[in-house]
Amino acid sequence: AQKITQTQPGMFVQEKEAVTLDCTYDTSDPSYGLFWYKQPSSGEMIFLIYQGSYDQQNATEGRYSLNFQKARKSANLVISASQLGDSAMYFCAMREGRHTGNQFYFGTGTSLTVIP
Amino acid sequence: GAVVSQHPSWVICKSGTSVKIECRSLDFQATTMFWYRQFPKQSLMLMATSNEGSKATYEQGVEKDKFLINHASLTLSTLTVTSAHPEDSSFYICSARVPSGSSYEQYFGPGTRLTVT
Repeated sequence: AQKITQTQPGMFVQEKEAVTLDCTYDTSDPSYGLFWYKQPSSGEMIFLIYQGSYDQQNATEGRYSLNFQKARKSANLVISASQLGDSAMYFCAMREGRHTGNQFYFGTGTSLTVIP
Repeated sequence: GAVVSQHPSWVICKSGTSVKIECRSLDFQATTMFWYRQFPKQSLMLMATSNEGSKATYEQGVEKDKFLINHASLTLSTLTVTSAHPEDSSFYICSARVPSGSSYEQYFGPGTRLTVT
């Protein structure tokens, strides 16, 4: 089974609107971390936001927030007030276990296009 | 913040030659580094986990004799693609495990685009 599932290959959003990128995960480990990365056309992986499995509150970082629904095993990324520079690939990732050296599992990504 | 560099950023080589890609952690020591491969419009696939001073752990299906990994110091890991073929053309990304206490956990390098002609 896929560890990380991103069901939206491509998304479009109007500039200044909010957009939600979906991510579901699969693990039986009670301890895990969830990450979102942005990959522009240059290829670099830009860290956006992190949610720990024991965190009680949803993570927020500026215009990014993570809608963490543990029972549903979902970790959707919400981008508010979209900007043209937000156009990029977005990857959801998970690290299982407590050890921060454990490998990351990546989803297949969502290509976001912000329309002026 | 922590920075991970990769060199070269892009390389073109002829089929049959070997190519070495370097991954450096610039301002922190990384006992663990990871090497990923990414085909166009696809996700990152972990190739191997590189631990300083020991042999790399390769993922299933990755030929260790073809993709040689050396993590000789706490700030440098190298990936050598031996006897490269056109199907090895890809985007190779490394990441370095950040010392504990950071939510980042891994810092990614900017990637190396390899084209084998």
